[in-house]
Parts: sequence; C-alpha cells; structure tokens
Amino acid sequence: DVKVTQSSRYLVKRTGEKVFLECVQDMDHENMFWYRQDPGLGLRLIYFSYDVKMKEKGDIPEGYSVSREKKERFSLILESASTNQTSMYLCASSSLPTGISSGNEQFFGPGTRLTVL
Amino acid sequence: AQSVTQPDIHITVSEGASLELRCNYSYGATPYLFWYVQSPGQGLQLLLKYFSGDTLVQGIKGFEAEFKRSQSSFNLRKPSVHWSDAAEYFCAVIFSGGYNKLIFGAGTRLAVHP
Repeated sequence: DVKVTQSSRYLVKRTGEKVFLECVQDMDHENMFWYRQDPGLGLRLIYFSYDVKMKEKGDIPEGYSVSREKKERFSLILESASTNQTSMYLCASSSLPTGISSGNEQFFGPGTRLTVL
Repeated sequence: AQSVTQPDIHITVSEGASLELRCNYSYGATPYLFWYVQSPGQGLQLLLKYFSGDTLVQGIKGFEAEFKRSQSSFNLRKPSVHWSDAAEYFCAVIFSGGYNKLIFGAGTRLAVHP
C-alpha cells in the first residue's frame, strides 16, 4: 500500500514563528503536493513539486514556501505564521501520468491540523 | 476559470436510502474526474475515477459515478447508504495534462440517520 505520512497530526504555533510541516511518501512518486483544507472551500493547492529541487506555485502560495531535497520528502514552510494560516494541511503524492489509462490518482496523508495563536 | 461545483454543502439521508451527490465542472475538453471521501479525522481516500471509456464507473464501498459530457457532470451514487458512509465527499478534476493538478469542489458533508 502507498503510504504518505505527515510529521504531526496537530500543531499549535504562535504568530510570527517559522513552521515546518513534513511529508514523506514511500512509493517513489515523482509528484508531491501541499493543500490546505478549509470549511466550505474544499482543498486548495499551495505548492507542488514534480521532481527533486523542482517546485511550482499552486493557487495560494502567498506566505508559504517549500523544499524538496529528496524524492520522498516534501516540506511546507510557513516563514512567519499568521492566524489566517490556521487550517488543515494535506500532503499528497502521485506518479507521473504515462497515458490515458495510467494511475493519476493522488494519495493523501492524514493531514496536520495547524492552529496559529 | 476552471472550477468544480458541488451544489450541496450538506445532505442527510436515512440508512438504506439511495444517495446521489452532484458534481459539475467547467471546461470543454474531457477532464480526468475523481471522487474522494474523507472520514472524520482522516485523509482523503479515492472512491473512483474516470479517464475514458464506459461513462459509468464502479468504485469501492458500493459507489458508482456517471460521466455526462453534455451536462459537464460526474455525479456519485449509491443504491443503499450505510451509517459508515457518513463522511465528507469531494469531487476533483484534472483539467489538462501535466503534473496531475487537481481542482477540488468545496465538498458535500453526508449525514446518515439510523
């Protein structure tokens, strides 16, 4: 089974702190993604990475950065946490699409619920 | 702009009743379509997906979905709901090739009455 793990299930931080959220996948997937989930808004893509040291902005990258030094690990960084970044953060991974019938499914971790006070 | 709409925020059904969750997307070309379920405190689990071929797709846990190109819809159905189906359901779409970027709907929270 594909396994995507996230370093913390719950995290409480103070405004202005630098926050690191870690994600590790064990299926040798090329693509990795960070989303935030808020009630009534579904999941919104923050950043994604399609290869080591490569990153692309998603729909809401402001206030965030990412790091991918190894294929299996994708970190989300909140440079200076703010209260409006209180949310559920979900990491996902997928293999590269190789054709119409290929498995473009994204596999999700359990999420990190971050509270910024 | 590319978007996915789930018109129903909350749905309540009785156990044993049938279920249909609606999903509409904006775009002309046939996208890749997914339904995910999120149980309380859990990550997202894939129920089913549609890429091409037969427009009626079978998934896990007795769910199915039908792609209707003319209506830009991909509604999720189950003939008889179980109490364990109470969860939040997300429709998601990949609109164009490359990088597997998913666009999610806002989700539908399903409650099941005994």
